[in-house]
Amino acid sequence: QVQLKESGPGLVQPSQTLSLTCTVSGFSLTSNSVHWVRQPPGKGLEWVGAIWSGGSTDYNSALKSRLSISRDTSKSQVFLKMNSLQTEDTAIYFCTGLFDYWGQGVMVTVSS
Amino acid sequence: DIVMTQSPSSLAVSAGETVTINCKSSQSLLYSGNQKNYLAWYQQKPGQSPKLLIYWASTRQSGVPDRFIGSGSGTDFTLTISSVQAEDLAIYYCQQYYDTPYTFGAGTKLELK
Repeated sequence: QVQLKESGPGLVQPSQTLSLTCTVSGFSLTSNSVHWVRQPPGKGLEWVGAIWSGGSTDYNSALKSRLSISRDTSKSQVFLKMNSLQTEDTAIYFCTGLFDYWGQGVMVTVSS
Repeated sequence: DIVMTQSPSSLAVSAGETVTINCKSSQSLLYSGNQKNYLAWYQQKPGQSPKLLIYWASTRQSGVPDRFIGSGSGTDFTLTISSVQAEDLAIYYCQQYYDTPYTFGAGTKLELK
């Protein structure tokens, strides 16, 4: 069955770079898109960005200057990199395939 | 960016009631090429990932009970939950996927009266 699992550091210092990995199984990255969605504590969902089946990317307008999404199809992994992190970036980060399959999310706290 | 406005922000209900959640987009989500509305609804329970309930504004995802009904077209959409069950208490989000950046509504929290 389809599974997605996020991994990455739980704590990042302000101004540093966040690196997250979404490892996928049962789901072809070359046939399907993967999206990142984040949720600050107690708040709503925010679309972060996506990598499409062909490898192109789209990003949240407010984040695009700090954000990069890439993938390694041989490892079935999608990567999110966001630099210049601020406390407002504290959130649960989810990866989702087609919005039908979701990882359990990884909590990222930006704090010194 | 397309702005999604949901109302109400919270709703207190009793089991068995029918509830309606509204979602309005700042521009039409109806694509003339296929006559489909690029609007989805999600349910999120505490501590869980969101769950896709409805896509194309009115198509229920496999396994979703038929008491969840999506309707609307263009810029105005509705999620109706008939005969609310205790397990339906959650936060509901609409989302447009007509154009990137995709955007979500702020959510509607369904609570017990």
